[in-house]
Amino acid sequence: DAGVIQSPRHEVTEMGQEVTLRCKPISGHNSLFWYRQTMMRGLELLIYFNNNVPIDDSGMPEDRFSAKMPNASFSTLKIQPSEPRDSAVYFCASSLDGSSGANVLTFGAGSRLTVL
Amino acid sequence: AQRVTQPEKLLSVFKGAPVELKCNYSYSGSPELFWYVQYSRQRLQLLLRHISRESIKGFTADLNKGETSFHLKKPFAQEEDSAMYYCALSGRSGKLIFGQGTTLQVKP
Repeated sequence: DAGVIQSPRHEVTEMGQEVTLRCKPISGHNSLFWYRQTMMRGLELLIYFNNNVPIDDSGMPEDRFSAKMPNASFSTLKIQPSEPRDSAVYFCASSLDGSSGANVLTFGAGSRLTVL
Repeated sequence: AQRVTQPEKLLSVFKGAPVELKCNYSYSGSPELFWYVQYSRQRLQLLLRHISRESIKGFTADLNKGETSFHLKKPFAQEEDSAMYYCALSGRSGKLIFGQGTTLQVKP
């Protein structure tokens, strides 16, 4: 398994544009998490899914952010419209519930977003 | 509410010195605590978890429920330990919350 795969690795866009970040979790994992990493606030949980269902989206900053998981092997995080303060590294992570490794997350490499 | 606090943004020590990265948490039930590490140009990865009671790369962490702490310790720091360290907490919901992170810098 190639691990958690995120794309794009880097994105530079202008304020007001739509940004879509993508994630492919590890095959067989049933929980998926989106985090945002900034120097000021560290790693913030944005949303997490269990069996493709959003369980907790209380960390989503505002209505400009949305996330979907249409199937077990794909998730997107969308920002529309983007703003400079959204500049950060966005991480996707997955885990398998009900196993000895429950709550142990495998992280992707991250998507570095810069909004000008 | 779940909360994890890492009071130090940066900890700088010399090689061979003891290291203690502080982590305090707030949770009303019985949490599961973790330390994750991010080395330069590498992915964030699990270092250790309190239920395993193991030592990884010379690091240990003991859950102190009385003080609600889960400090990470190593008796003799090595240069290769330089990285960003995150303390994390998981409750019954499966939600994993991270602290703000501490950058450990081990100087030669």
